Amino acid sequence: GEDVEQSLFLSVREGDSSVINCTYTDSSSTYLYWYKQEPGAGLQLLTYIFSNMDMKQDQRLTVLLNKKDKHLSLRIADTQTGDSAIYFCAERRNDYKLSFGAGTTVTVRA
Amino acid sequence: EAQVTQNPRYLITVTGKKLTVTCSQNMNHEYMSWYRQDPGLGLRQIYYSMNVEVTDKGDVPEGYKVSRKEKRNFPLILESPSPNQTSLYFCASSPIGGANVLTFGAGSRLTVL
Repeated sequence: GEDVEQSLFLSVREGDSSVINCTYTDSSSTYLYWYKQEPGAGLQLLTYIFSNMDMKQDQRLTVLLNKKDKHLSLRIADTQTGDSAIYFCAERRNDYKLSFGAGTTVTVRA
Repeated sequence: EAQVTQNPRYLITVTGKKLTVTCSQNMNHEYMSWYRQDPGLGLRQIYYSMNVEVTDKGDVPEGYKVSRKEKRNFPLILESPSPNQTSLYFCASSPIGGANVLTFGAGSRLTVL
């Protein structure tokens, strides 16, 4: 999705925090999502945030939304080897179309 | 089990030979969508459907057709496949309203020679 941008790769040590960043362009986006794709599998929802929220926390996951800068981030605390995957940022616009970023490949090293 | 089922999972075909990738969901979702995933490009939407007999183009509809005759099924048709349609395809569905969280199928890897 050309409207959603995210860095392509992130390497993190096991036990450290991972932060994946995303920028989007449509200020009317109502929901923003983080999906996770493990090798050979489809995408699974990790978490989402409604556009009137600034932050959402769910166990090890923290989502921060800066609407002014159209910036979304996902922080994974205490990163584990099972967190190695591709993470996609997505925005939903009012017409129900979802735009996905290119995905960030997260590699967790021991 | 609530799921989206795609078939075939893997297919190698030749240029010009019509093929259909089926997609079926058992969650009574109104919304269904097809995406293709290519390295460095992420997921791009091909077509989507808000309900039976209602379909709309996504960002990359050229070379594809869809139909939504029943709520549960949303087949993707490639009338005359070309090598640039070699890709990994995902079908997804969601309810309408609320957060519209998508449930994805496992993917169909298509190679066009």
